Amino acid sequence: DGGITQSPKYLFRKEGQNVTLSCEQNLNHDAMYWYRQDPGQGLRLIYYSQIVNDFQKGDIAEGYSVSREKKESFPLTVTSAQKNPTAFYLCASSIEGQGAPYNEQFFGPGTRLTVL
Amino acid sequence: GQNIDQPTEMTATEGAIVQINCTYQTSGFNGLFWYQQHAGEAPTFLSYNVLDGLEEKGRFSSFLSRSKGYSYLLLKELQMKDSASYLCAVMDSNYQLIWGAGTKLIIKP
Repeated sequence: DGGITQSPKYLFRKEGQNVTLSCEQNLNHDAMYWYRQDPGQGLRLIYYSQIVNDFQKGDIAEGYSVSREKKESFPLTVTSAQKNPTAFYLCASSIEGQGAPYNEQFFGPGTRLTVL
Repeated sequence: GQNIDQPTEMTATEGAIVQINCTYQTSGFNGLFWYQQHAGEAPTFLSYNVLDGLEEKGRFSSFLSRSKGYSYLLLKELQMKDSASYLCAVMDSNYQLIWGAGTKLIIKP
């Protein structure tokens, strides 16, 4: 079955520690995205990548970093510089990048990060 | 700035019809998406509108008026499993998706 996997489902970290969230897709999609979702707010774009070895900052990239070394993988690191990291993180992918019309995004199950 | 407005929460009865509205102000328009999201899960695609009018897909329909910056999602014959949040998202002139905060729909027996 094709899809997007994120692991782990729940993650707890101490304040000041970096943490990396995994996102893998086997849909052969070119584009991948990371969103953050907080209660009562819409999804906010952290980073996106339209092709391997290239990625762009979204609206709230500060305190986060990504890499795109393989088409299938787009890990997100939440660094200690992120002031309020506790949130629900969603990874998504689409066939083409953001320049394409009708660009349905497929989402992974999400990772709920809690920083203690 | 860019803005998408949806009601925060709505309640409806099983078997009834409910309409969830979405108004938007964005820099350009390249389509509007509706997604369904059950609590703690990933959003799943419901519909896409780029031209004015009604798109029907089974129990769900979506309407768009570009001149009014307005869309609605219509859910018929409501079932308990329809209890979820419904997210409206607009693709702007840069093909960036702008997301609304979502409408939490509560279905009562």
